[in-house]
Amino acid sequence: QVQLVESGGGVVQPGRSLRLSCAASGFTFSKYAMHWVRQAPGKGLEWVAILSHDGSNRVYADSLRGRFTISRENSKNTLYLQMDNLTIEDTAVYYCAKTRGDSCLGCYGMDVWGQGTTVTVSS
Amino acid sequence: EIVLTQSPATLSLSPGERATLSCRASQNIYTFLAWYQQKPGQAPRLLIYDSSGRATGVPARFSGSGSGTDFILTVSSLEPEDFAVYYCQQRYKWPLTFGGGTQVEIK
Repeated sequence: QVQLVESGGGVVQPGRSLRLSCAASGFTFSKYAMHWVRQAPGKGLEWVAILSHDGSNRVYADSLRGRFTISRENSKNTLYLQMDNLTIEDTAVYYCAKTRGDSCLGCYGMDVWGQGTTVTVSS
Repeated sequence: EIVLTQSPATLSLSPGERATLSCRASQNIYTFLAWYQQKPGQAPRLLIYDSSGRATGVPARFSGSGSGTDFILTVSSLEPEDFAVYYCQQRYKWPLTFGGGTQVEIK
């Protein structure tokens, strides 16, 4: 079945880095743009970034100030989020999500979500 | 960035009642609005895309409407499994943004 599985979360000190992964299965990964969305404890959803199906186009949330990098390996059906210079405010559950429309950046909503991976930034 | 304001913050209703949730955009976003449902401990689920398109597998009791700056998600008759938090999200302009959410709770 269509599935996304995130990994790579954990506890990290402020200023350190972490790389999240999202393994996709059950659909043609290379046809779809992919998102990262996060949710701080007890808070709402915050969109983080999107990467086009072929990796050629990416957009980030303004608040990230260039600290995060989204990438993908279509040969491995995997999406990544490299997070550098982490701050306490980055503590959240991080979800990867699939764009509903193929070969389209951000079209028609996010129709498949992973279960999320938790990132805790603490000294 | 486009700000989405959802109201009310909390909606207290009984099973079988009609739920009407509002999402207002800070500027014209045409019909580029989606709705999601999130239950505790779970990932969000896409309900509606582009204001009124129902996602695959979403029951017909869920419907979306609106254009421009004002949007509505309606649940015609609440089932026990519909009590959850609902978010709207715009895709008209980067960065994508979500509303703050409406919690639909059992009265």
